[in-house]
Amino acid sequence: EVQLVESGGGLVKPGGSLRLSCVAYGFTFSSYTMNWVRQAPGKGLEWVASISDKSSYIYYADSLKGRFTISRDNAKNSLYLQMNSLRAEDTAVYYCARGLRWPDYWGQGTLVTVSS
Amino acid sequence: QSALTQPASVSGSPGQSITISCTGTSSDVGSYNLVSWYQQHPGKAPKLMIYEVSKRPSGVSNRFSGSKSGNTASLTISGLQAEDEADYYCWSYAGSSTYWVFGGGTKLTVL
Repeated sequence: EVQLVESGGGLVKPGGSLRLSCVAYGFTFSSYTMNWVRQAPGKGLEWVASISDKSSYIYYADSLKGRFTISRDNAKNSLYLQMNSLRAEDTAVYYCARGLRWPDYWGQGTLVTVSS
Repeated sequence: QSALTQPASVSGSPGQSITISCTGTSSDVGSYNLVSWYQQHPGKAPKLMIYEVSKRPSGVSNRFSGSKSGNTASLTISGLQAEDEADYYCWSYAGSSTYWVFGGGTKLTVL
């Protein structure tokens, strides 16, 4: 059974950093592009970043470029999102999702709250 | 403001059909057959319902169908059921600089 389990969320002060993780189960992680998508409280979905199977291609939403870094470790079946210079507007549930053209499996998300 | 425009809400009675529109531009929806639709119940992760405009993943009811005309994609749900009440989002490829965009979401209420 395909499963994606995110972790690493929590409360962080403005300007702080946080690293999210997503561990994959039940499929060949190294064969898939992976994504981060976020959802602010009561708001819609927002694509954050994507990374190809071998990390050859990395894409970011324009609004986040320079502050967030997506990476992966295929040996550990893990996806990461390093978030720096966090702002209140980065408060959201962060989901990892499998697949490039149509993400088909999603984790349950991890909540990041940026507040002083 | 989302890149793709969806109605904020739609409603229908059990058994009826409804259609949710997703309007983009010639740079996204109009140029690529890479439109997907997601269903999200409160507090849950999104679920893929339609991909590549009109294809259904295994296990998704055939009451869900997708189409596209010009810069607008549509999701139709026929034979509405109470369990269909949820938020629905469209997602499209938007070219090699913007990459991927979501619609703002539509809340479906089953009356």
